[in-house]
Amino acid sequence: DGGITQSPKYLFRKEGQNVTLSCEQNLNHDAMYWYRQDPGQGLRLIYYSQIVNDFQKGDIAEGYSVSREKKESFPLTVTSAQKNPTAFYLCASSIDLAGYNEQFFGPGTRLTVL
Amino acid sequence: RKEVEQDPGPFNVPEGATVAFNCTYSNSASQSFFWYRQDCRKEPKLLMSVYSSGNEDGRFTAQLNRASQYISLLIRDSKLSDSATYLCVVNKNYGQNFVFGPGTRLSVLP
Repeated sequence: DGGITQSPKYLFRKEGQNVTLSCEQNLNHDAMYWYRQDPGQGLRLIYYSQIVNDFQKGDIAEGYSVSREKKESFPLTVTSAQKNPTAFYLCASSIDLAGYNEQFFGPGTRLTVL
Repeated sequence: RKEVEQDPGPFNVPEGATVAFNCTYSNSASQSFFWYRQDCRKEPKLLMSVYSSGNEDGRFTAQLNRASQYISLLIRDSKLSDSATYLCVVNKNYGQNFVFGPGTRLSVLP
């Protein structure tokens, strides 16, 4: 089955720790995205990548980092510099960056900072 | 003004009812429009794209009014399984320009 997987589903972190969220897709999509969702708010773009070894900051990139070494994988690191990291993190992909293309989402990771 | 605004909800309707959601957007350069559905604590999934001429998919009808910069979603004959949050999504040009509305929550009651 083609799709996007994210792991872990739930993640608990102590303040001051970096954590890495995994995102893998087997849809052969070029473009991948990371979003953050807070209660009652729309999704906000953290980072996006249109091709391997290239990625760009989104609207709220501070305190986050990414890599795109393989087409299938786009991991997100939440660093200790992110002031309010508790949120629902969603990874998405699309065929390319054309705006009319649907974005497919993974099941998400819920990060809680203790 | 937020880029994409939606009816705040929640909408609580009986099974079989017809319900309509509205969404307004502020950027007149927006070119692509979508409705996504998000179940509680799950990921969003595409419900339908919205075309200039309006489009229908079974019980769901989406309309676009570019002049007034709003999009609507009509659900007829509501089912219990329609209970979810409906996200309006607007895109100016590229995938990184997707702007998600805050969502409107629908509860269909037996």
